[in-house]
Amino acid sequence: GAGVSQSPSNKVTEKGKDVELRCDPISGHTALYWYRQSLGQGLEFLIYFQGNSAPDKSGLPSDRFSAERTGGSVSTLTIQRTQQEDSAVYLCASSYGTTVGEQYFGPGTRLTVT
Amino acid sequence: AQKITQTQPGMFVQEKEAVTLDCTYDTSDPSYGLFWYKQPSSGEMIFLIYQGSYDQQNATEGRYSLNFQKARKSANLVISASQLGDSAMYFCAMREGGAGGTSYGKLTFGQGTILTVHP
Repeated sequence: GAGVSQSPSNKVTEKGKDVELRCDPISGHTALYWYRQSLGQGLEFLIYFQGNSAPDKSGLPSDRFSAERTGGSVSTLTIQRTQQEDSAVYLCASSYGTTVGEQYFGPGTRLTVT
Repeated sequence: AQKITQTQPGMFVQEKEAVTLDCTYDTSDPSYGLFWYKQPSSGEMIFLIYQGSYDQQNATEGRYSLNFQKARKSANLVISASQLGDSAMYFCAMREGGAGGTSYGKLTFGQGTILTVHP
């Protein structure tokens, strides 16, 4: 079946602009995670969704970051007023549940803020 | 304190030989899971193997095995008969908390080890 998909694969934006990153999880996966991978910080957890609710937003770096999930499926990560330090690869993962099974990752969105 | 430590920034191995990638972890939670992921230069994260904290036997998946030493809090990945296609970044990750826990299954990753397989 189809894996996790993310779009766009690459995004170049100017500092101060808003960006939206999209994640389409594997069908039937109720848990959805966003991570960020950058050279200085490695792989960091950002936010988790169970269905459409986000019980854990602890990893969001600032209030410029927000995310939503609709229909228990597609999720959008929005970064407002982008800064150069937001440049990173944003990875989405999904799994059947939170305590069992592995997380399947999408190909990522490479964000470059100029 | 680091929750996941991978002390080998880079490793080299000859094709067809075995290699061990080190991972130590730190948690006070009795229920946790340990994962290894492979990230080739293409950037995708590929799940390799999983070990649960209550599993009695070391996990194996084809050429991959996990050397789980609970008392030492180590979860080393062993790749047997290395292939050129094994050249990639390898991440060790931990999921803390069992059912009803509040970690919600998020993974904490180590810094990774770059493996290079020589022909």
